[in-house]
Amino acid sequence: KAGVTQTPRYLIKTRGQQVTLSCSPISGHRSVSWYQQTPGQGLQFLFEYFSETQRNKGNFPGRFSGRQFSNSRSEMNVSTLELGDSALYLCASSGRQGSNYGYTFGSGTRLTVV
Amino acid sequence: GESVGLHLPTLSVQEGDNSIINCAYSNSASDYFIWYKQESGKGPQFIIDIRSNMDKRQGQRVTVLLNKTVKHLSLQIAATQPGDSAVYFCAESPGANSKLTFGKGITLSVRP
Repeated sequence: KAGVTQTPRYLIKTRGQQVTLSCSPISGHRSVSWYQQTPGQGLQFLFEYFSETQRNKGNFPGRFSGRQFSNSRSEMNVSTLELGDSALYLCASSGRQGSNYGYTFGSGTRLTVV
Repeated sequence: GESVGLHLPTLSVQEGDNSIINCAYSNSASDYFIWYKQESGKGPQFIIDIRSNMDKRQGQRVTVLLNKTVKHLSLQIAATQPGDSAVYFCAESPGANSKLTFGKGITLSVRP
């Protein structure tokens, strides 16, 4: 079956702009989590959605937001982009009751802010 | 605060040798631990996991060891192959529905 699909794969944005990233989980998976990956900070948790509700949230400013649709697809939005937001944004989905178990990651969206 | 860290940033091994990648964690409430492998241009890929009620778990060519006394986790890869070259992350969580906290990652380089 198809894996986790993230679009677009690459993005270049200018400081101050906003961006929306999309994640389509594995069919049947209801939990979607987002992570930011940078060389300096590694993988940092952004938020997790389960059945359209945000269940967990990381320590990121309010410029980072997300949502999940009824078909479990998820989007994350970053407003007022800063240079430091340049990173690989990863989405992971899980179909098991415990969202950590059976995590499958997508290949990520590489965001570059110039 | 809570953190998960790796002892070494890079590890170089000879093809065919065994590899051992170590990880320290600080949250004594951690219940679930996972090792991931990330190849260039891809997202992290699940390797093996272990719950806190176990101290060892084996998979195909991989073994994870958990020492809760010293909060240490290790990944052993038997007969390391060139395809094992990647960045390896440990991750921990206090529960099934809690966020995963990842270590910084270590690069495994396999010499032919």
